[in-house]
Amino acid sequence: DAKTTQPTSMDCAEGRAANLPCNHSTISGNEYVYWYRQIHSQGPQYIIHGLKNNETNEMASLIITEDRKSSTLILPHATLRDTAVYYCIVRVPSNTGKLIFGQGTTLQVKP
Amino acid sequence: NAGVMQNPRHLVRRRGQEARLRCSPMKGHSHVYWYRQLPEEGLKFMVYLQKENIIDESGMPKERFSAEFPKEGPSILRIQQVVRGDSAAYFCASSPDSAYEQYFGPGTRLTVT
Repeated sequence: DAKTTQPTSMDCAEGRAANLPCNHSTISGNEYVYWYRQIHSQGPQYIIHGLKNNETNEMASLIITEDRKSSTLILPHATLRDTAVYYCIVRVPSNTGKLIFGQGTTLQVKP
Repeated sequence: NAGVMQNPRHLVRRRGQEARLRCSPMKGHSHVYWYRQLPEEGLKFMVYLQKENIIDESGMPKERFSAEFPKEGPSILRIQQVVRGDSAAYFCASSPDSAYEQYFGPGTRLTVT
């Protein structure tokens, strides 16, 4: 699975959009981009995933660049409860299934 | 629809005792994954199981650790002769298939005294 690079930490004002970047320059054609988050030592929570088209669900939007070497997770209206560590993971879904978590980005949403 | 359940949520064991951690996957999910998070560290994959089969145990320590997912009942992660370094949060996740996203349980926090 391709390696990902994320900023260590970010701040965001409550009510504003949080844009979390992820670089995955070695991504291969059949690898998907997944986002999970972990809120204060709880179990990780699946957010969204995509291959090459932009994706949106009730939690977030995922924007993948045309060359697929980077992506951005967007939380449109961040709340204090969105404070968490956000993980960007690249994997081929049909592989063994294990998720390889990096260090992630610690997002602090401030009032 | 109940999520992934893990029990106990907290477990205290003395050095040398055995720890048994249980995971009940979401309804309809037959794939289970175990991850470990040591204090102040990231999540590390341990093992991937389907019903009655171990698919990938590349992250399991070679000794003292074992996992099973029987035809009936929860998945069990067993740690024999626990040591202080086993103190960690152990998370279980499940999915209907390896190609799908994984849903995590709340974790079991193991403390070895």
